[in-house]
Amino acid sequence: GESVGLHLPTLSVQEGDNSIINCAYSNSASDYFIWYKQESGKGPQFIIDIRSNMDKRQGQRVTVLLNKTVKHLSLQIAATQPGDSAVYFCAERSQGNLIFGKGTKLSVKP
Amino acid sequence: NAGVTQTPKFQVLKTGQSMTLQCAQDMNHNSMYWYRQDPGMGLRLIYYSASEGTTDKGEVPNGYNVSRLNKREFSLRLESAAPSQTSVYFCASSDILGSEKLFFGSGTQLSVL
Repeated sequence: GESVGLHLPTLSVQEGDNSIINCAYSNSASDYFIWYKQESGKGPQFIIDIRSNMDKRQGQRVTVLLNKTVKHLSLQIAATQPGDSAVYFCAERSQGNLIFGKGTKLSVKP
Repeated sequence: NAGVTQTPKFQVLKTGQSMTLQCAQDMNHNSMYWYRQDPGMGLRLIYYSASEGTTDKGEVPNGYNVSRLNKREFSLRLESAAPSQTSVYFCASSDILGSEKLFFGSGTQLSVL
C-alpha cells in the first residue's frame, strides 16, 4: 500500500545552523510532494512543493530535494531560526489524494 | 484576512452525545475537507467536498456526517460520540479538488469521555 514516513521523529538544531528533515515515500506514481509546517496550537501551513519531474526546488530559506531513485524527499532550512520550531509533515499526492506522513518535530536551540 | 475559521476550539463530550463542528472559509475556494489528527497517525481525511452541493467519504468516515451548507461553510457532525473520536479535527480548503496546497484552520480539540 501507499505510505509516507519519516526517518526521524525529532530533530534538534542550533540557531543559525542548517536543518535537514527527511521523508520516505513508497508510491512511485505520486505526482507532487509537499511540505507542511505545523506550529503548536495551529493548523498545518503549506511551505513548498515539488513536482515529480523535478529534483530540486528552492524557496525563501527552504529547499526541497527529491530523489526518485530511492524514493526520498528532504526539506532543507537554511540558517534555522527559533520561529522555525514546529512539526514538519511531508505529503504526497497520489491519484488526486494527499497522503500525509507522521511528522518530524524540529526544535531550535538558542 | 481570516482564511479558514473553525469553531469551537475545544470541546468535551460524553459518550453518546452529538455535536457539530463548524468551518468557514473566505477565500472563495471550491473544495473543503475535514481531517483528524491523532498522535503518531498523521492527518487522515474524514470527508471532503469537491464543490458546493457535493460531499464524499475519505479514509475514515465512519461515525461522521458532513454538510456543505454553501460555498463558504462545511460542517462535520458526530451523531453519537465515542471515545475513539477523541482527536484534533482540522478543516481545510483549496481552490480545486486535489490541489496540493491546502489551507487549514486552527483546529478543534475534541475529547470524548
